[in-house]
Amino acid sequence: SQQGEEDPQALSIQEGENATMNCSYKTSINNLQWYRQNSGRGLVHLILIRSNEREKHSGRLRVTLDTSKKSSSLLITASRAADTASYFCATDGGGSEKLVFGKGTKLTVNP
Amino acid sequence: GAGVSQSPRYKVAKRGQDVALRCDPISGHVSLFWYQQALGQGPEFLTYFQNEAQLDKSGLPSDRFFAERPEGSVSTLKIQRTQQEDSAVYLCASSLAPGFNSPLHFGNGTRLTVT
Repeated sequence: SQQGEEDPQALSIQEGENATMNCSYKTSINNLQWYRQNSGRGLVHLILIRSNEREKHSGRLRVTLDTSKKSSSLLITASRAADTASYFCATDGGGSEKLVFGKGTKLTVNP
Repeated sequence: GAGVSQSPRYKVAKRGQDVALRCDPISGHVSLFWYQQALGQGPEFLTYFQNEAQLDKSGLPSDRFFAERPEGSVSTLKIQRTQQEDSAVYLCASSLAPGFNSPLHFGNGTRLTVT
């Protein structure tokens, strides 16, 4: 079963625009992570945000976490064609020793 | 190489055959995870090792699936009597610390096709 659910399932934007993806989860968490996956490749870690943090930045990425709403968002600013990929959020399954992934948002950035 | 290495990259098996998928994690990484990813879906957890100990195998779909990491480094995922529903990409990931509190480093996966 998958703990996180990303929204939207697919997103298509023009280069230079911002992209926002959302993740909702069901149980309390210790941390939430975002990953990117290019077609035919493994996942690449982007950002880890802990449950006591509200916002985190890394380059053009901004992640927010709202534990009261059990939701997180990933913002990619000034998108590039190379950002085209699927993006997944992942949470610990209620404290267990595993990371549970959502179904992902497929982002297409058109040049 | 410095990353997680998986082999083979592609595997085609006839239904009923046994397969073995190999994962070479990053040297020194304590945690090792196996995930199964169907087309268009997110990775589904299969099993977790901390060093050589298999601490969680709750995601293994059936007793046809078996994983081991005997010396706390290389891991093998074995699937016996493969079925068509086993067709998927099998991803291995490792991380430096125990559990999920540090980023996972993924290999590129093994794409298994059962015919």
